[in-house]
Amino acid sequence: ENVLTQSPGTLSLSPGERATLSCTAGQSVSSRYLAWYQKKPGQAPRLLIYATSSRATGVPDRFSGSGSGTQFTLTISRLDPEDFAVYYCQQYGSSTWTFGQGTKVEI
Amino acid sequence: EVQLSESGGGLVQPGGSLTLSCGASGFTFWDSAMGWVRQAPGKGLEWVSSISGSGRKTDYADSVKGRFSISRDNSRDTVYLQMSSLTAEDTAVYYCAKDGPYYDFSTGYFSSGNYFDHWGQGALVTVSS
Repeated sequence: ENVLTQSPGTLSLSPGERATLSCTAGQSVSSRYLAWYQKKPGQAPRLLIYATSSRATGVPDRFSGSGSGTQFTLTISRLDPEDFAVYYCQQYGSSTWTFGQGTKVEI
Repeated sequence: EVQLSESGGGLVQPGGSLTLSCGASGFTFWDSAMGWVRQAPGKGLEWVSSISGSGRKTDYADSVKGRFSISRDNSRDTVYLQMSSLTAEDTAVYYCAKDGPYYDFSTGYFSSGNYFDHWGQGALVTVSS
């Protein structure tokens, strides 16, 4: 199993600030198979980024993804109040999907 | 509009069984792989199982292998998750999710992206005596 480790565990920021979330894989991940999701309490997860850097339909352009190999990053350029949530990275490889443990972005 | 709706959740005793259903609409169901992802109380997301569009390929997380079975009925646009030998560690909200597409520029064809682009609202499964 390819373990994904997200850092930091919690990010305390203010609206308008930049957020940088990291996702480190134990083994190399194909850039085609790295995605990011947003999760708010009581809501279903929402796809933000797929294939490392492609924004999902309807996702604001303040969200961007980058990376390769074992290091991937989700950047939120200017935090909006609605962006405070938990973010998960997810990878696919060898018929197994794995999620990171999540990064909480809080005010 | 893509819609996914889970049903079948509830309270079950340890060692018991339960089957979740997920009805789908708004997309070509038989052409889309589907998956189940769960979130235990206070925990993160955990992939549980996935099934190809034809139903011929199924995959399971080690934590549920041998106890859970995923299947689909393409004539009813529905995917199922049969769960048996349930323990307290299986208590979670179970989400049904649709596999997203990936466009391969080198071939000009779409294929499975192995990410989840649409999700249901979830079904709560509680395993307790």
